[in-house]
Amino acid sequence: DAKTTQPTSMDCAEGRAANLPCNHSTISGNEYVYWYRQIHSQGPQYIIHGLKNNETNEMASLIITEDRKSSTLILPHATLRDTAVYYCIVPRYNQGGKLIFGQGTELSVKP
Amino acid sequence: KAGVTQTPRYLIKTRGQQVTLSCSPISGHRSVSWYQQTPGQGLQFLFEYFSETQRNKGNFPGRFSGRQFSNSRSEMNVSTLELGDSALYLCASSPSGGLVGDEQFFGPGTRLTVL
Repeated sequence: DAKTTQPTSMDCAEGRAANLPCNHSTISGNEYVYWYRQIHSQGPQYIIHGLKNNETNEMASLIITEDRKSSTLILPHATLRDTAVYYCIVPRYNQGGKLIFGQGTELSVKP
Repeated sequence: KAGVTQTPRYLIKTRGQQVTLSCSPISGHRSVSWYQQTPGQGLQFLFEYFSETQRNKGNFPGRFSGRQFSNSRSEMNVSTLELGDSALYLCASSPSGGLVGDEQFFGPGTRLTVL
């Protein structure tokens, strides 16, 4: 799997956008970037994934740089319920059944 | 559609015993993956099964084993339990086994405590 680097922790004010960066400089051309999050004591939850185009769904937006070496997950209006550990993962091509989790970013949304 | 279910949710065992954990994937999903989560090591991949065959394996000792049945339900077994096996064990299912664009759906986990 391509190695990913994320900040250990971040704070965000409730109602503001949360921008979570991820570096994946060794990503291969056919590998996707996935984001999952884990709220305390629950199983991880899929958020979004992308290859090279920006992606948006009901939970978040994913911005991938043109060289694909980094990406940013954006939670447009963070709420207290978005407090969680966010993981950026780049599984090997067609091996998405084997996710290698790093330390992730612990996001604290504060009132 | 029902989510991924894991049984039991909590388990207490003593060193040297063995344990079997069960995972029922989302209906129609053919891939089941298992993960171990501890405070010290974080989330670590154990193994993945697809259509009853182990397709990927993580770096765990042979005491950790698994299997998948024809209905895609999966079990994992840990023999000769050690204190360090105390962890949250998570299973995840996906429709096509992690192919491009596939997402994994995680269950709530089984909390194993080894005394």
